[in-house]
Amino acid sequence: TQLLEQSPQFLSIQEGENLTVYCNSSSVFSSLQWYRQEPGEGPVLLVTVVTGGEVKKLKRLTFQFGDARKDSSLHITAAQPGDTGLYLCAVGGDGPLVFGKGTRLSVIA
Amino acid sequence: DAGITQSPRHKVTETGTPVTLRCHQTENHRYMYWYRQDPGHGLRLIHYSYGVKDTDKGEVSDGYSVSRSKTEDFLLTLESATSSQTSVYFCAISLSRDSDTGELFFGEGSRLTVL
Repeated sequence: TQLLEQSPQFLSIQEGENLTVYCNSSSVFSSLQWYRQEPGEGPVLLVTVVTGGEVKKLKRLTFQFGDARKDSSLHITAAQPGDTGLYLCAVGGDGPLVFGKGTRLSVIA
Repeated sequence: DAGITQSPRHKVTETGTPVTLRCHQTENHRYMYWYRQDPGHGLRLIHYSYGVKDTDKGEVSDGYSVSRSKTEDFLLTLESATSSQTSVYFCAISLSRDSDTGELFFGEGSRLTVL
């Protein structure tokens, strides 16, 4: 059983569109992290959310931690080609971080 | 800023040969990790270390061993490489000095092909 389920697996959109990707689990977590990975590179941390209901913004990216701390969403406003990449969520709590399989986003100009 | 250097960045080898991947960090971070990344499987933890000579197994440790004789170096060894170990390998360090669940900083990856 996968600890973290990310959806959708793949997403292809036009530049300027909005999108939301999800990270879900049946377990409760003390914190959750989002990473972005570009082709040929390692993942890079975007944000950590720790409080149920918390919302964090990073320019056009909005991250939300669910009230019950079981899920999270990432919303991108007016997507740009530079947003293309693999978006990964990860959780810890009982040892090293465990990652979801990611959402692969392609933004077409 | 944390700095990680992985070597080699690319390697092609044959089944049955030994392979060692090296991860070098410059900031004396306590926790270091080796993950592998494969299509359809995401990032999976192989082994991790919480100090010199202190290591533990991850989710997919079979066929791999690690060593950490110095704080700055974490080596991943495939004693006898198999085609199923063809993958991209990432080293990471925890930016937290007290927790193994802290935010991670990743190296650029080592692409290994086993023929």
